[in-house]
Amino acid sequence: GAVVSQHPSRVICKSGTSVKIECRSLDFQATTMFWYRQFPKQSLMLMATSNEGSKATYEQGVEKDKFLINHASLTLSTLTVTSAHPEDSSFYICSATGGANTGELFFGEGSRLTVL
Amino acid sequence: QQQVKQSPQSLIVQKGGISIINCAYENTAFDYFPWYQQFPGKGPALLIAIRPDVSEKKEGRFTISFNKSAKQFSLHIMDSQPGDSATYFCAARGSGTSGSRLTFGEGTQLTVNP
Repeated sequence: GAVVSQHPSRVICKSGTSVKIECRSLDFQATTMFWYRQFPKQSLMLMATSNEGSKATYEQGVEKDKFLINHASLTLSTLTVTSAHPEDSSFYICSATGGANTGELFFGEGSRLTVL
Repeated sequence: QQQVKQSPQSLIVQKGGISIINCAYENTAFDYFPWYQQFPGKGPALLIAIRPDVSEKKEGRFTISFNKSAKQFSLHIMDSQPGDSATYFCAARGSGTSGSRLTFGEGTQLTVNP
């Protein structure tokens, strides 16, 4: 199946700093990418949807100025957590769809963010 | 509404047994119903998916049963193995483009005892 790569897999940062997480589709062109947040023992919560070359569409309650999403190419989307705080500590997962497999979502391995 | 209700929250099964996880949805516009398997610290991986034009789909030990009139679908894992121990999520997606969002169930933590 198609491969979606996320980097970094784990990141620890100090409160007040910004952290960037990358999501790449390795073998297909991702017309749409989704960013999710998952707290321990909970389901995935959709944060935003991004289409290549367009501004991301954020879900209700997600601060777009805090969670900056850029989808500048068909193979790369980035999520930047700005001025991170301990409550932003979570598991962030991206997924992508597009190419020949337009009906299926492919997920990255996730990025564990810990804000001290 | 966009909700997908999943049960049970947790499930313990003996090796070789059948694991059954159920999901119910409300939005009749949903037309794609995938199941995902997630191991700790990893992203979800697609296990099996079904569209509402069929009532059952089987892939190896995994079977989805779909009841359109009841708006319910379930995952059956036959001959459950300890390696199947993971969290399982059902999901549903509305009709339209592939860019439509997935709505996830709450998840079921499956433990298969040896």
